[in-house]
Formats: sequence, structure tokens, C-alpha cells
Amino acid sequence: QQPVQSPQAVILREGEDAVINCSSSKALYSVHWYRQKHGEAPVFLMILLKGGEQKGHEKISASFNEKKQQSSLYLTASQLSYSGTYFCGTDPSRAGGTSYGKLTFGQGTILTVHP
Amino acid sequence: EAQVTQNPRYLITVTGKKLTVTCSQNMNHEYMSWYRQDPGLGLRQIYYSMNVEVTDKGDVPEGYKVSRKEKRNFPLILESPSPNQTSLYFCAITWGANVNSPLHFGNGTRLTVT
Repeated sequence: QQPVQSPQAVILREGEDAVINCSSSKALYSVHWYRQKHGEAPVFLMILLKGGEQKGHEKISASFNEKKQQSSLYLTASQLSYSGTYFCGTDPSRAGGTSYGKLTFGQGTILTVHP
Repeated sequence: EAQVTQNPRYLITVTGKKLTVTCSQNMNHEYMSWYRQDPGLGLRQIYYSMNVEVTDKGDVPEGYKVSRKEKRNFPLILESPSPNQTSLYFCAITWGANVNSPLHFGNGTRLTVT
């Protein structure tokens, strides 16, 4: 079962903030976040592990609520370069187990940042 | 730096004509996988491989085959392509085996089946 991302699309002006959510119906042990620019391959942003800390990447950070089986990606003071489609990938493997890259991805959130 | 090379980048073919999309990596990674990307559906895993001669089905394996005869190559085979296999395909490697291992994707192959 694919995780569900919300919103499906968001439009921002430079400097504004955004939150992208990822919800799963299954218990999660890790959540990956990727960004894909138009015509390019997805690029890894960060991983959050069950029981782990909130991760950060430049002005992009994320949280992982294990009880709610949700993760949220926070983009603060957005820049034009943040435009793209954001995907969460969930891994139901138990902590310490192997995932083999068997991620199940959400449908994506299209983020557009205007000047 | 890890590199994942897919070929071809673009492919137009006709229904029923067998084709192979190649994927090779330069870092001796054990774990490789294939995904297809369709609008509104995100990335869905087709097959993955844990090592040479070890492969398993992902979420949408129907109509596809893979082989892993050597560690660096993981080709995707469509024996009899159909229009519903028109999609953007990505090969990926996993930089490690545990749950905090990210995927690194190739540049993609856009396939059109008429």
C-alpha cells in the first residue's frame, strides 16, 4: 500500500514556508524523502528512522511521528531551487533489518516556487 | 562517485516487440532495483536484486523480467511490451543494506509503446 502525500501541489513565493505530509497505513521504521526536478532523476534528501532525531538538510527539515505513522517535510524560506516534485518513500522493515532498497513511494507533491 | 547508467534514454517501440533496457553501476553495489514512474502514481518498484542471481518481485512485476548475471548489470526485459507499459523507468542502487541506506537513481528511460 502506497503512503499518501498531501498536499498534491503547492505554490509558493520565494521566502515562504511549506509543509508536505506523508501518511502510511502500516507501521514504519524509516521514511525517506527525495526531490525530483523536471526531466531529472529523484535525488535523495534525507532519511528518518524510528526512534531517531529530526533530520535537517540546509533549510529543509523533517520529522517522523511513529505513533501516527506519519512524516512531514518542512521547507523554510523557500528558494527557486526548491521547485520540483517531492516523494516520500516508506520502508516497513524492522530496525536493523535489511531493506534492499525496497521502498514504497507516495504519489508525489509538486512544489512550485515563484520569484 | 557512484554512477548508474541506463540505456537508452528514450525508446519508442511497437506492441509485442521484445526490448531490453540496460542498467549498469560502477561501484560494486549489491542492491539494485527497477522502478516505473507514472503521473499521479509516483514511483512503483518492479523488481529488485540483492546480489548476483538473487532477484525478487516488487509491487508491479507483471510483464517484466530481470536478470543479474554479474554484479554491475541489471537489465530490465519486456518480452512482449504493451501500451500500458509506456512509462518512465528508473534503475537504482542502494548504497547499503540497512534501513538508513538511500537510493541513487539512474537518469531514466522514457519508453513509449504504440
